[in-house]
Amino acid sequence: RKEVEQDPGPFNVPEGATVAFNCTYSNSASQSFFWYRQDCRKEPKLLMSVYSSGNEDGRFTAQLNRASQYISLLIRDSKLSDSATYLCVVNKGNTPLVFGKGTRLSVIA
Amino acid sequence: NAGVTQTPKFRILKIGQSMTLQCTQDMNHNYMYWYRQDPGMGLKLIYYSVGAGITDKGEVPNGYNVSRSTTEDFPLRLELAAPSQTSVYFCATSPGGNSPLHFGNGTRLTVT
Repeated sequence: RKEVEQDPGPFNVPEGATVAFNCTYSNSASQSFFWYRQDCRKEPKLLMSVYSSGNEDGRFTAQLNRASQYISLLIRDSKLSDSATYLCVVNKGNTPLVFGKGTRLSVIA
Repeated sequence: NAGVTQTPKFRILKIGQSMTLQCTQDMNHNYMYWYRQDPGMGLKLIYYSVGAGITDKGEVPNGYNVSRSTTEDFPLRLELAAPSQTSVYFCATSPGGNSPLHFGNGTRLTVT
């Protein structure tokens, strides 16, 4: 099983739709989880941290499922500006954070 | 407060040439990282540092060298450039090993 695995997509959704991405991780001892957003040819930017009880930031909701070892990102009321690649990031003990390869989202008018 | 600054933004090298990619930060973060990202691919860790004077190899260190003489600076050296090193290079910092990373704007390198 890969350390961090994401469906590469692309997910093509109409404006206003709700879309969800999952990310699975292999290390059951992982403690820190993040979602990053990367626009084409730009640096990754932190979207949100993922907390054990789940957390919400406006239209974005992140969830953690430790039993099944996955995190999820839900985007409600999708905007054209949400089009980007979403990277799942997980810690692995004392070594640097591990990045998934990303899920590409395209929101269509 | 500039955050993480990378220079140059773009560079074209001939095969066999050498260069140093600069990365400097003003956030007083202990941890610094170098990643490369090939077109359509994920980030691959080249080297990282947990503090001044300490460096460690990442997933793809071959062909690169780093140094960390100060908290602020973490330069990446390419000694003999090869076409396989054509990529976008990102420097990142974090206050701790499990903290989120802050990225620089990247350096686009082409080796021909």
